[in-house]
This record gives sequence, C-alpha cells and structure tokens, in this order.
Amino acid sequence: AQSVTQLDSQVPVFEEAPVELRCNYSSSVSVYLFWYVQYPNQGLQLLLKYLSGSTLVKGINGFEAEFNKSQTSFHLRKPSVHISDTAEYFCAVSPGGKLIFGQGTELSVKP
Amino acid sequence: DTAVSQTPKYLVTQMGNDKSIKCEQNLGHDTMYWYKQDSKKFLKIMFSYNNKELIINETVPNRFSPKSPDKAHLNLHINSLELGDSAVYFCASSQGRVGETQYFGPGTRLLVL
Repeated sequence: AQSVTQLDSQVPVFEEAPVELRCNYSSSVSVYLFWYVQYPNQGLQLLLKYLSGSTLVKGINGFEAEFNKSQTSFHLRKPSVHISDTAEYFCAVSPGGKLIFGQGTELSVKP
Repeated sequence: DTAVSQTPKYLVTQMGNDKSIKCEQNLGHDTMYWYKQDSKKFLKIMFSYNNKELIINETVPNRFSPKSPDKAHLNLHINSLELGDSAVYFCASSQGRVGETQYFGPGTRLLVL
C-alpha cells in the first residue's frame, strides 16, 4: 500500500527566509505526487504535481519541489517566504485516482 | 463562478440525527470525491464517483451513503450521527482520475453534540 510521511508537523520561519517542507513516500509502482495548500478555514488548493519528466517541478506562488526516486522524497521549497504563506501544506500520492495524504505540515511565517 | 460548492458550510446537530451535505461542481468534471478531515487535520478519502458510478468506497460505516444524481452533483447522507462524525467534509472533483488535479470545495464543518 502506498503511504506518505511528512517529516515535520510544524515549521516556524521568519519572513523572507527560505523554507523546505519534507515529504517521503512509499510505493512499489510509479507514483504521481502532489502538494496541496490549505489556508485557514478554506479548502485545498493545488500547489504543484509530479507526473513524469523533469524531476524539478515549479508551482504557484514561487514554490517548487524535487522528485527524488532513489530517496523516495518529494520535498517542497521556497527561497523566500511571505506572511501570506502561513498555511497547512499536504503532500499526497495518487494511486488509482484517490489522494492519499500525509499528516500535514503547518508553516508559520513570522515577521 | 464558484467551481466546487458545498452546502451547508456549517452543520451543528444532535447525536442520532440524520443529515445531508450537498456538493455541486460547474467544471464539467466527470469524477467527484468525498474526503473527511479530522480534528488533527488528517485527510482521508471516503468515496469517489465517476459519471454517477461508485468507484471508490473506502472503509466507511454504512451510516454514510453517497448519492450522485448526475455527474455535477455528489451528495453525502449520514444516518444516526455519532460524536466521532464531527469533522470537516470536503467535496472535490477532477476530469478523469489518475494523475489529475482535484479541485476542492470550501468544506462543511459538522459538529455533532
């Protein structure tokens, strides 16, 4: 069975600092990987996804992620965060169409 | 021009009651989903429909029954509500299934007293 582990439940960071949110997955077959963001009291919004091809994926709001098959990781990065990036971030895999989510990482950006 | 909408947004009810949550998407997608987000923000798939046909039915109590009258609508009916049903329920839709982006509704916050 496929699963996703987000290694940090909370990541506090200062504004304009770089950030990395870590995600590891387990799968014995080809995977599709996603990062979604959930702002307070809202639904989820896609940041980026990896289906195939280039392992560096660029998404919205300046985020990017790198697919690393040998390390089974799909870490999310942003070189300089804003206060508005404060949200919950979810990594997910998609076997057969359904999304299997990690536990979420709460990114808290402080001034 | 809301893409995926849910009603109601908030639902407070007593244990033992029956309630329904409605979902509509105007994206022309053929696949719709229900997810449950618990108090620790953990998200789990419950059901998925493709062109009105049930294709994913995770381990969910029989008290939960989805219904899709057409491919733009997916409703969730819950019988005999229990305290543990308190959660945020999200509807989502996608065009196709594998590898497709899922678009989420704003969620329905259910509180069972």
